[in-house]
Amino acid sequence: EAGVAQSPRYKIIEKRQSVAFWCNPISGHATLYWYQQILGQGPKLLIQFQNNGVVDDSQLPKDRFSAERLKGVDSTLKIQPAKLEDSAVYLCASSPGGVGLNTEAFFGQGTRLTVV
Amino acid sequence: DQQVKQNSPSLSVQEGRISILNCDYTNSMFDYFLWYKKYPAEGPTFLISISSIKDKNEDGRFTVFLNKSAKHLSLHIVPSQPGDSAVYFCAALDPGTYKYIFGTGTRLKVLA
Repeated sequence: EAGVAQSPRYKIIEKRQSVAFWCNPISGHATLYWYQQILGQGPKLLIQFQNNGVVDDSQLPKDRFSAERLKGVDSTLKIQPAKLEDSAVYLCASSPGGVGLNTEAFFGQGTRLTVV
Repeated sequence: DQQVKQNSPSLSVQEGRISILNCDYTNSMFDYFLWYKKYPAEGPTFLISISSIKDKNEDGRFTVFLNKSAKHLSLHIVPSQPGDSAVYFCAALDPGTYKYIFGTGTRLKVLA
């Protein structure tokens, strides 16, 4: 079974530039998550999709971050314009999801973003 | 406000001995907990989980214990191996939104 695919693996941009990350979840997984992991901290949820609808985006800085999950499959996360404090690893995860279903989430390898 | 806490940033253990990683949580509504392991430059990988209807779950060398009254869980690795050296994250599944809430991680180093 193919895992969660993310690209690119690494990205270096200057502040005020824009950047986009792509995620392809495990086939059939209804729920998709984007997490931000700053060095020395645990992953922090940015946005959660159930199929193509947003379940939780309370921690997403909406003035600069946006995300979409077209057709309930692939997802993109965009930052525009980037700030120095956005330097982090961006992790995409998916799970079979659904209310009442306790299961693990599967993570991609992440995209390491450095803003200079 | 940190709902899942791992108060030990790092732990060193001799090969063959037991590693004990601890985790505390604040929300008594949490009823499903997970441990993830993370190597450098890789995403977290699922290790083991426990539901609140149990107080122990075992998978090979890994055992997770849950103390609901203390809102505390721990991961035991016996015997520890050098390949276990990684960062371990404790997580809780929010039963309202089904989002995973992570602790800050504990870096385990197993010394050969």
